[in-house]
Amino acid sequence: DIQMTQSPSSLSASVGDRVTITCRASQSINNFLNWYRQKPGKAPELLIYGASSLQSGVPSRFRGSGSETDFTLTISSLQPEDFATYYCQQSYSLPRTFGPGTKVDIK
Amino acid sequence: QVQLQESGPGLVKPSQALSLTCTVSGGSISTTSNYWSWLRQPAGKGLEWIGRMYISGSTNYNASLKSRVTISLDTSKNQFSLKLNSVTAADTAVYYCAREGFCGRTSCSSGHHWGQGTLVTVSS
Repeated sequence: DIQMTQSPSSLSASVGDRVTITCRASQSINNFLNWYRQKPGKAPELLIYGASSLQSGVPSRFRGSGSETDFTLTISSLQPEDFATYYCQQSYSLPRTFGPGTKVDIK
Repeated sequence: QVQLQESGPGLVKPSQALSLTCTVSGGSISTTSNYWSWLRQPAGKGLEWIGRMYISGSTNYNASLKSRVTISLDTSKNQFSLKLNSVTAADTAVYYCAREGFCGRTSCSSGHHWGQGTLVTVSS
């Protein structure tokens, strides 16, 4: 199975801050990488697929980049609804696997 | 807008089978554009992919659960289902159904789009 890691595991930030989350795969996954936001008590929602494609309806403050094994999710200006947990997930091979999550909370 | 809704018992006894259904609305389950998937999340923990089914009848399961899992489609009802046998307390989790965009050799059309989830507790 492909192992996914994320850093940091948590961070504290303020509204308006620029936030960067990193995801690493245990082997090359080309650009088969998705990002999700999960608000407390809610289902995950797709933000980015294919490493850098913005899902329809997702605000442009979210940007994904990277390829092969190293990927980044950047939120350009953190909004109140962005205080949540973020997961990366590889869609290169089966089983689909997720990173352990990065929790973004209010500073 | 395709929407998914899980349904099924919220409490299952140890050693029994867990059965959940996902009803798809706003689109057809017979599409070739999606896989139909089940995932789960124990309280306070991360996300685990259980398996998926394609309209062709092809299924893929997580090896960690493969011996206990069956996913099936009912095109007449536009639903798909999960059955997990011989459950234990370790199977207590929020279970999600989801659709995943079809993946070709160089890209996928999308990631997972999730239902709202349903909590299943395994307890006597």
